[in-house]
Amino acid sequence: AQTVTQSQPEMSVQEAETVTLSCTYDTSESDYYLFWYKQPPSRQMILVIRQEAYKQQNATENRFSVNFQKAAKSFSLKISDSQLGDAAMYFCAYRSYTGTASKLTFGTGTRLQVTL
Amino acid sequence: GAVVSQHPSWVICKSGTSVKIECRSLDFQATTMFWYRQFPKQSLMLMATSNEGSKATYEQGVEKDKFLINHASLTLSTLTVTSAHPEDSSFYICSARRTGVERSNQPQHFGDGTRLSIL
Repeated sequence: AQTVTQSQPEMSVQEAETVTLSCTYDTSESDYYLFWYKQPPSRQMILVIRQEAYKQQNATENRFSVNFQKAAKSFSLKISDSQLGDAAMYFCAYRSYTGTASKLTFGTGTRLQVTL
Repeated sequence: GAVVSQHPSWVICKSGTSVKIECRSLDFQATTMFWYRQFPKQSLMLMATSNEGSKATYEQGVEKDKFLINHASLTLSTLTVTSAHPEDSSFYICSARRTGVERSNQPQHFGDGTRLSIL
């Protein structure tokens, strides 16, 4: 079974600064997908960014980018020019490539605070 | 974009009653839907995978008779918490993936969740 680990329960960043959230995972599969989801106080789950394991190029979405290290099984999220609206819980998630069920396995989450 | 509607958003009821939560994919068909439970300040824990036209697949430790799942159509799955007790109080979230794109990077789309409080 796959496991996802987020070793930082809480992180804090000043507005306009950059912060990196860590995520590692354990799998024996070679093809899979990785996601970062954001959950603000409203508790809505919002997709931030996704990465296919077969792609070497790191995914980017505006101020959000990932550092995907397949050999190290690491998938960190970098938030640049942090904004107050970035404050939320961030969950790293893994999904197998094979199988139609393709359930998500979530990490324990990192609570990000953004300060003025 | 893909939208998943979850209803109700908040329900309070007495111990012993049954509560039904609906999850609808509004603009796409979903052969598979997922039900999660989230305790305060914790991660999402998958309870079961709902399959249209067949029985749900429950995760280890989840009581099938307590959490009844029905996926009667390609756009609707329901979770019924039977004979609910205070320990069933939690935040329940559903998600769905568009049928036909299972082997792709298309993500799951989440409902807004249901806060269940059992008195």
